[in-house]
Amino acid sequence: NAGVTQTPKFRILKIGQSMTLQCTQDMNHNYMYWYRQDPGMGLKLIYYSVGAGITDKGEVPNGYNVSRSTTEDFPLRLELAAPSQTSVYFCASRQPGAYNEQFFGPGTRLTVL
Amino acid sequence: KQEVTQIPAALSVPEGENLVLNCSFTDSAIYNLQWFRQDPGKGLTSLLLIQSSQREQTSGRLNASLDKSSGRSTLYIAASQPGDSATYLCAVLMIKAAGNKLTFGGGTRVLVKP
Repeated sequence: NAGVTQTPKFRILKIGQSMTLQCTQDMNHNYMYWYRQDPGMGLKLIYYSVGAGITDKGEVPNGYNVSRSTTEDFPLRLELAAPSQTSVYFCASRQPGAYNEQFFGPGTRLTVL
Repeated sequence: KQEVTQIPAALSVPEGENLVLNCSFTDSAIYNLQWFRQDPGKGLTSLLLIQSSQREQTSGRLNASLDKSSGRSTLYIAASQPGDSATYLCAVLMIKAAGNKLTFGGGTRVLVKP
């Protein structure tokens, strides 16, 4: 299993540009998450999904959109990029149930100039 | 609202010394607590998951304890090695968390000096 994969690894955007961060998992997990991690900080939840067609906001959803058309994929879209969105973005997945571990992708480092 | 705190934010120890990392949380209504390791520029790797009914969990040189009533968990790493240098994060899963959302601490950055 490849686990959770994310593309791209790095990206530089200009203010106002848009992009989609891709996330795929091959573990057939129902639950998927997007986090951002600012330098020296913990993780903040942007959006999450409990299954195909179902998404919900986390702590910091403004400026982002998500969709979940399949179990495997959970892309994160940035519209009108702003410098405040400069961060490292992590995708994660898990099976439902309180006693299951959460697995993370390697991250996408995004800089908005 | 659940708050998870990790103190200190950074720690430096000589090789061979035991590491003690602390995690505290404000709401004891949790299902479990998970410890992660993050290497620079990398994602998070799960180290240990300790359930609310457990007092401790062990894996190799790692031992995690949980005191739910006082809202504390401690990760012990025995006989530290330079390869243990990383950031360690703890996260709790609350009983009422929709979507099994985790709440993370800010992490402790560890440097083990040869």
